[in-house]
Amino acid sequence: SYELTQPPSVSVSPGQTARITCSGDALPKQYAYWYQQKPGQAPVLVIYKDNERPSGIPERFSGSSSGTTVTLTISGVQAEDEADYYCQSADSSGTYRVFGGGTKLTVL
Amino acid sequence: EVQLVQSGAEVKKPGESLKISCKGSGYSFTSYWIAWVRQMPGKGLEWMGIIYPGDSDTRYSPSSQGHVTISADKSISTAYLQWSSLKASDTALYYCTRRDATGIAADVSTGGFDYWGQGTLVTVSS
Repeated sequence: SYELTQPPSVSVSPGQTARITCSGDALPKQYAYWYQQKPGQAPVLVIYKDNERPSGIPERFSGSSSGTTVTLTISGVQAEDEADYYCQSADSSGTYRVFGGGTKLTVL
Repeated sequence: EVQLVQSGAEVKKPGESLKISCKGSGYSFTSYWIAWVRQMPGKGLEWMGIIYPGDSDTRYSPSSQGHVTISADKSISTAYLQWSSLKASDTALYYCTRRDATGIAADVSTGGFDYWGQGTLVTVSS
């Protein structure tokens, strides 16, 4: 079945820019969505349709897409951004959704 | 206020059956798809399937097909996830979540998931 690949971990210092990638063969034709999950909490949608930001999500969160890779960028990382981040998309036929394996963002 | 309230934690033995629930309120329950997401202990999110309570149109991930059943009772604004024979590997936290209004009709590849239940912990152990 279809898979999305993310790096297991990313580390940045406060104020720097964090970039989390997600790769998948169907990404050129399917939208990507990004979720933030903090320990003991349900996920929160932070980016939809590759690069749109839901209301209430800080402007430092942005998304981009290039070919088979999508990227979540967090500019000016803050300590509160430390969390697990998951990309989500669909298989090439749009039959079902999948999540990437998740990336743990550590703020040093 | 939109809310998804899930049923409480369950402890079951292998081979037993189970049905957990997710009750929606604060919005038109029949107009939004509801998905189920699994999170095994210390692991990532897994998308299991999705249902449209308005007509019970249901889709499953390949790994969930045949292992679980997703259903909904629109008269009480509740979606369900059920197993006929649990395995130890079903031990996980299960979330229900609503597909948002950016989703395009029955195209389940579209739409983010904007509201989430609190999760139901299912423990399967002999």
